[in-house]
Amino acid sequence: QSILTQPPSVSGAPGQRVTISCTGSSSNIGAGYDVHWYQQLPGTAPKLLIYGNNNRPSGVPDRFSGSKSGTSASQAITGLQAEDEADYYCQSYDSSLSGVVFGGGTKLTVL
Amino acid sequence: ELQLVESGGGLVQPGRSLRLFCAASGFTFDDYAMHWVRQAPGKGLEWVSGISWNTGSTGYADSVKGRFTISRDNAKNSLYLQMSSLRAEDTALYYCAKDVDDQLGGMDYFDYWGQGTLVTVSS
Repeated sequence: QSILTQPPSVSGAPGQRVTISCTGSSSNIGAGYDVHWYQQLPGTAPKLLIYGNNNRPSGVPDRFSGSKSGTSASQAITGLQAEDEADYYCQSYDSSLSGVVFGGGTKLTVL
Repeated sequence: ELQLVESGGGLVQPGRSLRLFCAASGFTFDDYAMHWVRQAPGKGLEWVSGISWNTGSTGYADSVKGRFTISRDNAKNSLYLQMSSLRAEDTALYYCAKDVDDQLGGMDYFDYWGQGTLVTVSS
């Protein structure tokens, strides 16, 4: 059971918009710690997608965005493309555990 | 080009030990904290351990506390993970990951990852 809760799967057709939620608690997201998102394409290492709740590293398309409110965060992908099919993970810090925590991951399927 | 290359994985019996290595290049290694993150087959990511730039601070997941020890040698641009009393549930792909900050704490996130080294714990 992950400390951060994500839906196991989401899906959408090409061109559509999908969102992935990440729900935490008062000891992580709700305590003000930033949320970061990673994309893991099949058979590859994770790649930083969103940092500091809503910032994109250089090279990440602006189709990807993030937001945070209260004890939750979400990531949105607009203009869905076939190459977006991957696993997505949220990550934050937990003060009770004194360590980094990940969500369980969400598998995005492009229909 | 920044590179993180892990090695040292393999098949090991339950209760035995194993030491993982991560060779870093392409950046000033001692400017950043470093971490190990693992992924069991078909499962999600799990943070294992982190170490600050000068080894002054370390952190461990509860699942490995007391069994795993993280260390680094800045002169050799290397990160290590000494794993003891290994269990079947430690079977995973172990990634080395670079922090964006030099200290451990609430700002931790990972901007570069290695390709991982596979550890299989089985008799």
